[in-house]
Amino acid sequence: QLQLQQSGPGLVKPSEPLSLTCTVSGGSIISRSFCWGWIRQPPGKGLEWIGSLDYSGSTYYNPSLKSRVTISGDTSKNQFSLKLSSVTAADTAVYYCARCSFGQFSHFDPWGQGTLVTVSS
Amino acid sequence: QSVLTQPPSASGTPGQRVTISCSGGSSNIGSNFVYWYQQLPGTAPKLLIYRNNQRPSGVPDRFSGSKSGTSASLAISGLRSEDESDYYCAAWDDSLSGVVFGGGTKLTVL
Repeated sequence: QLQLQQSGPGLVKPSEPLSLTCTVSGGSIISRSFCWGWIRQPPGKGLEWIGSLDYSGSTYYNPSLKSRVTISGDTSKNQFSLKLSSVTAADTAVYYCARCSFGQFSHFDPWGQGTLVTVSS
Repeated sequence: QSVLTQPPSASGTPGQRVTISCSGGSSNIGSNFVYWYQQLPGTAPKLLIYRNNQRPSGVPDRFSGSKSGTSASLAISGLRSEDESDYYCAAWDDSLSGVVFGGGTKLTVL
């Protein structure tokens, strides 16, 4: 059964980069059937897609975040990562990683446990 | 403002049938599949409906999805207390080249 385990700091200072990692077990990130995504949810608010990475390493980003986002994969560790640069308080949110279906990027299943990242000095 | 529009709240009594709407446009719902997610309090979202009306294994058949034109709906029949949750619709948007979510609907079981 596929499982996603998130890791990374829960507190980031303003203007610094946010970095999170999602470790995949029970499946491979280079599977041609799937892609790997990041979604976030500010406290008390709805879901926002950040971006996705497919098996070939191609990336797809939310246009509103594209200038600050990098999603990459490490096949040796079967992990994929999110880096969001120059964070502000508006980036405070629970960040989720999830597997998506290649060609159906809105199909997220399963999801990681979520990581609350607070941006504060 | 979310690209996909959902009512912020819905309610029903046990045993009732409730529907939650999701309204979009030609570039998202009108031309792509709709997905529904259930998010119980304090937990990660869970896939409830995929490709407009398909249920993953383990999702009760009380949950059903439909799509017509640029709108979609999630129906829950035989409402139970454990259905009290937030529900989100999602779709790919061809114009934005990205995934868009609805703002979410909080379902209360009275």
